Amino acid sequence: NAGVTQTPKFRILKIGQSMTLQCTQDMNHNYMYWYRQDPGMGLKLIYYSVGAGITDKGEVPNGYNVSRSTTEDFPLRLELAAPSQTSVYFCASSYSKGLGNTIYFGEGSWLTVV
Amino acid sequence: ELKVEQNPLFLSMQEGKNYTIYCNYSTTSDRLYWYRQDPGKSLESLFVLLSNGAVKQEGRLMASLDTKARLSTLHITAAVHDLSATYFCAVFTQGAQKLVFGQGTRLTINP
Repeated sequence: NAGVTQTPKFRILKIGQSMTLQCTQDMNHNYMYWYRQDPGMGLKLIYYSVGAGITDKGEVPNGYNVSRSTTEDFPLRLELAAPSQTSVYFCASSYSKGLGNTIYFGEGSWLTVV
Repeated sequence: ELKVEQNPLFLSMQEGKNYTIYCNYSTTSDRLYWYRQDPGKSLESLFVLLSNGAVKQEGRLMASLDTKARLSTLHITAAVHDLSATYFCAVFTQGAQKLVFGQGTRLTINP
């Protein structure tokens, strides 16, 4: 059982480049999330999805886009990368039905924009 | 807008001592999570608290929830060096379908 898988783990981008962070979960979770964590800080929600075809903005969506064409995949796209997007990105997933469901996090993707 | 605040943000303590981390949140919540994060690593789920008065314990860590006060605590008993990490609380609201994190508490336990 792989859980939540993120790729790539490390990436260096030049200013203005674009890239996609991939996230896949194999637990049939309907909720998925993208967070960013700046050094020494907590996690801030970028985008989230409550099911295939449904996405919504979090606290810090500017400069990012997402799509959710399948239950398993929730890619995060960075358009026109800026130094302010240097951060660690975490994808997470959970079930929606029933309380007390654990939210599982991926291993993180370290992104540097230079 | 839901806000989650932890204190203290930094905590240095000696092995064998007890201490408490506090997590306050601003609006009604469905559930509260505690996570541990080691440097350069992902988040490890510690506890999920669902209802007022809920208390959960795992080893030297005990978490509690007071929904009326909108307060959760993470109590560390007889700390050991292996508990050194950053601890986050996070609050989930069903209505907003979001998990909002506190700033984290960086805990250092010295021999």
